[in-house]
Formats: sequence, C-alpha cells, structure tokens
Amino acid sequence: QSALTQPRSVSGSPGQSVTISCTGTNSDVGTYDYVSWYQQHPGKAPKLIIYDVTERPSGVPDRFSGSKSGNTASLTIYGLQAEDEADYYCCSYAGAYTVYVFGAGTEVTLL
Amino acid sequence: QVHLQQWGAGLLKPSETLSLTCAVSGAGGSCSGCYWSWIRQPPGKGLEFIGEISPPGSVTYNPSLKSRVTISRDTSKNQLSLRVTSLTSADTAVYYCARNSVGSRPAFGMDAWGQGTAVTVSS
Repeated sequence: QSALTQPRSVSGSPGQSVTISCTGTNSDVGTYDYVSWYQQHPGKAPKLIIYDVTERPSGVPDRFSGSKSGNTASLTIYGLQAEDEADYYCCSYAGAYTVYVFGAGTEVTLL
Repeated sequence: QVHLQQWGAGLLKPSETLSLTCAVSGAGGSCSGCYWSWIRQPPGKGLEFIGEISPPGSVTYNPSLKSRVTISRDTSKNQLSLRVTSLTSADTAVYYCARNSVGSRPAFGMDAWGQGTAVTVSS
C-alpha cells in the first residue's frame, strides 16, 4: 500500500482540464512543501514535471500546474493534449527517517 | 546535459544478491550538492523509494528495505551502486537510479533518471 493516495484514473476530452489529487498525512504532504510530480509513459523512466509543490522545471509546459492544501496536493493539466496520456505519480519528502514517499499513480486517459 | 547509464544482472534466483551500477556522464553531470537515489517499480505498480546517498556519503534507506540494501558510490568513477540481498519474488521490479536535482541544483525532486534495469527474481 502506497503512502500517498491518488485516484487510480482520471480522464478528459482534448482541450479540457483534469486534476489529480494526492493525499498524504501531517508527516509528509502536510508538513513539507517538497511535493513533486512525475509523468511516466509506458516503458519509459519517470519525468519530473513539478517540484516544490508549484515549480516547473525548464521545458515543462505551463499547462501543468501544482498546488497544495493541508495534507492534499494536486496536479492540474490544462488544455489536455494527446501526449499527456500517461501515468502520473506524486512524491513527498517525509523527513530524515523515511525521506520520500510516492503515490500509487494515476492513469490519465483522453476521451 | 547529464546522462545516467545503468547496468547489472537482470535474472536472479531467490536468496541471491542484486548488484546494479549507475554511471553519470555529460556536461551537466556535476552537481556538488546533489543527493543520488535509487527507486524501483514492480510490474504494473507504482514507484518505491529505496534510498539515497548524500554529497558527503551518508546514506538513508527506506525503513522497509533497510536491512537488505546497501547504496554506495565511487566518486573517482562517477558511479553509484545498489546491492539488495536475500532476494525474493517481491523484489522483481524495474530499478532506477536518479539525481535529486533540478537543472544542476540540489532539489527535492529528481530530474535526471537512468534508463531503468528490469530485474526478475525467479527460481
């Protein structure tokens, strides 16, 4: 069982927006502003798309947006495109003992 | 741009030891304050943090794996290593090395990943 809870799947039509939630606890998401999000296409390594809750690495489209409220972080994809079909994983720093915890992943599909 | 290249045995038997190496190269490979991590992904499942090594060389492991895992590095060769002992079928996964960085700056995200090594534990 993963430490962070994500919906198994979300779907949307091209051009629409989808939001993926990531629920943790006061020991991880709720305490640290070190939530990151990864996009993974089949057979590929994960790709960092959001770090420090809201920041985008260079080259990541601004269609990807991160936020956090309490113990829940969220990733919103605006203007859904075909290439956005992938699995998305959230990750939170959880302190010096546990370090990092991941969610089980959310599959994003286009309708 | 940093490049992480992994290698190691892909088919092992229960009770054996997994050994993987990750070599770092490329113009963006230098990151003096960066931590380096190992992550794994069982077939059809999510990502699991295995452990990380700090710039001075101290290591922190996932508590659930701590008794069986060793992470080390050879700075002269720019290589990172992973050993997992007493393997069972539950250790079957794709194993990734990664750098905890954004650009060439230390960060709590991992923007550079190896290609992944598929490891199967089966008798």
